[in-house]
Amino acid sequence: GQNIDQPTEMTATEGAIVQINCTYQTSGFNGLFWYQQHAGEAPTFLSYNVLDGLEEKGRFSSFLSRSKGYSYLLLKELQMKDSASYLCAVMDSNYQLIWGAGTKLIIKP
Amino acid sequence: GAVVSQHPSRVICKSGTSVKIECRSLDFQATTMFWYRQFPKQSLMLMATSNEGSKATYEQGVEKDKFLINHASLTLSTLTVTSAHPEDSSFYICSARLAEGTYEQYFGPGTRLTVT
Repeated sequence: GQNIDQPTEMTATEGAIVQINCTYQTSGFNGLFWYQQHAGEAPTFLSYNVLDGLEEKGRFSSFLSRSKGYSYLLLKELQMKDSASYLCAVMDSNYQLIWGAGTKLIIKP
Repeated sequence: GAVVSQHPSRVICKSGTSVKIECRSLDFQATTMFWYRQFPKQSLMLMATSNEGSKATYEQGVEKDKFLINHASLTLSTLTVTSAHPEDSSFYICSARLAEGTYEQYFGPGTRLTVT
């Protein structure tokens, strides 16, 4: 079956760095997405990885290892507004997104 | 760019009535739109995939006669919840996929449906 695993909840301190991991097992692979979702709002796109390696975009970076079925989202210089759920999603061989349950990130002052 | 709108943002209806939710891609053409449902503190659940000009593809367990999807143009898809019941109360989110590019999905702001 298809499976996306990520931690349910993480806590970090304002100004610090946090890494959110995602492991996946899917039928085929056409890329991995990270989305941010604030409570009561729709997800917003953060990053897309289809090749191995690190993609950096400002305070956010995303890493992918296809051989390990593994990705992480790295958030630097954490701000209170970064408190949200972070969703990992993999596009399978049918170009359909398979979603993880999301990681709720709590930022403390 | 790549803005998706949804209307209404919130709706309260009585049990047994029908509710229509619109999803529009404002500045691009979307050959494919997706409808999701999200219950509190849970992840997105794909309900159906909607392709312009053809019938929607429903996920297992989603009743196609209850959740009617119409994708009449490249910028508009509608979801009608028929004979709504309190258990249909949820956050409904649509997304649209660019016809070209990375197959990224752009999400609408969501519709909070409450059935009383």
